Amino acid sequence: DGGITQSPKYLFRKEGQNVTLSCEQNLNHDAMYWYRQDPGQGLRLIYYSQIVNDFQKGDIAEGYSVSREKKESFPLTVTSAQKNPTAFYLCASSMGGTPQETQYFGPGTRLLVL
Amino acid sequence: AQKVTQAQTEISVVEKEDVTLDCVYETRDTTYYLFWYKQPPSGELVFLIRRNSFDEQNEISGRYSWNFQKSTSSFNFTITASQVVDSAVYFCALSEGWGYGGATNKLIFGTGTLLAVQP
Repeated sequence: DGGITQSPKYLFRKEGQNVTLSCEQNLNHDAMYWYRQDPGQGLRLIYYSQIVNDFQKGDIAEGYSVSREKKESFPLTVTSAQKNPTAFYLCASSMGGTPQETQYFGPGTRLLVL
Repeated sequence: AQKVTQAQTEISVVEKEDVTLDCVYETRDTTYYLFWYKQPPSGELVFLIRRNSFDEQNEISGRYSWNFQKSTSSFNFTITASQVVDSAVYFCALSEGWGYGGATNKLIFGTGTLLAVQP
């Protein structure tokens, strides 16, 4: 069954703590993305990667970091520098990184601050 | 500048009614792509349709239909004979460019329309 998995479904962060959200895909897609969704708002791009070992900042990258060591994995770390991390985080992937490619999304991780 | 506007924040209909969700976009590019996604209460975004800027034909898929009009920069989505299972947030999104010269697959999303279908 091909798809995108995200874990955990819910994540709690204490003040000053770094947390890592997992995203894995078995669709053999080259490009992967991280979006943040706040209540009543659309999705905003945090980071994206068009190929292994390469990634670029999106519109709201401050306080976040990523790595792309394997084609199927694109973990997102929410650092202590992100002052308002409470949000719904969605990972996506597409066959290629060009504008005509459709992005497919995972089930999301809800991050809450204790 | 790229922008997607979904002016309808919430729509409530009774089952079997037809409903249209509006999407207006802004772009300076002549090549662009428009998308609709459905987000049910579970949270995952489900892809519904992609349309490129050179194809203005309307599309129908079962109870779903899409009306793309470049003259008004709109890409509206109609659900015919709505059902309770259609209740969700619907997002319209835009990406630009050919994919050359560094153009990337950056999706610009509207703020979404919450559709509630009452039984």
